[in-house]
Amino acid sequence: DIQLTQSPSTLSASIGDRVTVTCRASQTIHSWLAWYQQKPGKAPKLLIYKASTLESGVPSRFSGSGSRTEFTLTISSLEPDDFATYYCQQYTIYPYTFGQGTKLEIK
Amino acid sequence: EVQLVQSGAEVKKAGESLKISCKGSGYNFAGYWIGWVRQMPGKGLEWMGIIYPGDSDLRVSPSFQGQVSISVDKSINTASLQWTSLKASDTAMYYCATLHHTNGYFEHWGQGTQVTVSS
Repeated sequence: DIQLTQSPSTLSASIGDRVTVTCRASQTIHSWLAWYQQKPGKAPKLLIYKASTLESGVPSRFSGSGSRTEFTLTISSLEPDDFATYYCQQYTIYPYTFGQGTKLEIK
Repeated sequence: EVQLVQSGAEVKKAGESLKISCKGSGYNFAGYWIGWVRQMPGKGLEWMGIIYPGDSDLRVSPSFQGQVSISVDKSINTASLQWTSLKASDTAMYYCATLHHTNGYFEHWGQGTQVTVSS
């Protein structure tokens, strides 16, 4: 299976901060990577697919970049609604897999 | 509007059987892969497997192979997840979700079904 390792596991930040979450794959996944946001008690929500394409309706402060084995999710200026857990997912080779998650907390 | 409505929370004993469901509406159900994701208490998301309702083509993670069954009934737009003998370690939230029509990311999600298994 392809392993996805996210860092950091927990991130403390303040409103207005720029934050970056990294997702590293154990082998190349080209650009077949998605990012999801999950809030407590809710289903995950798709934010970005194909590494850098923003899902319709997702605010432009979210962006994704990277290819092959290293990817980043950036939030340019944190808003209160952004405090949540973020997951990456590869969809190159079965079984598709998720990273372990990054919890974004209010500092 | 695409909607996935999952069956309600279940409380079971170890050794019992269970089938939970996910009913799709607002789209061509037969034409989109639909999958299941497990989230154990306080833990991350785990990709379990996907099924194509059009021909029941199935892809299951080795981690879940033999532990659970994924099926679909396209006549009633419903996908299911089934256990023959539950374990306490099956306690989790289970989400169904549809895949994008040409890529393997999950576009639309159900609300989740909480399964609690007591030993």
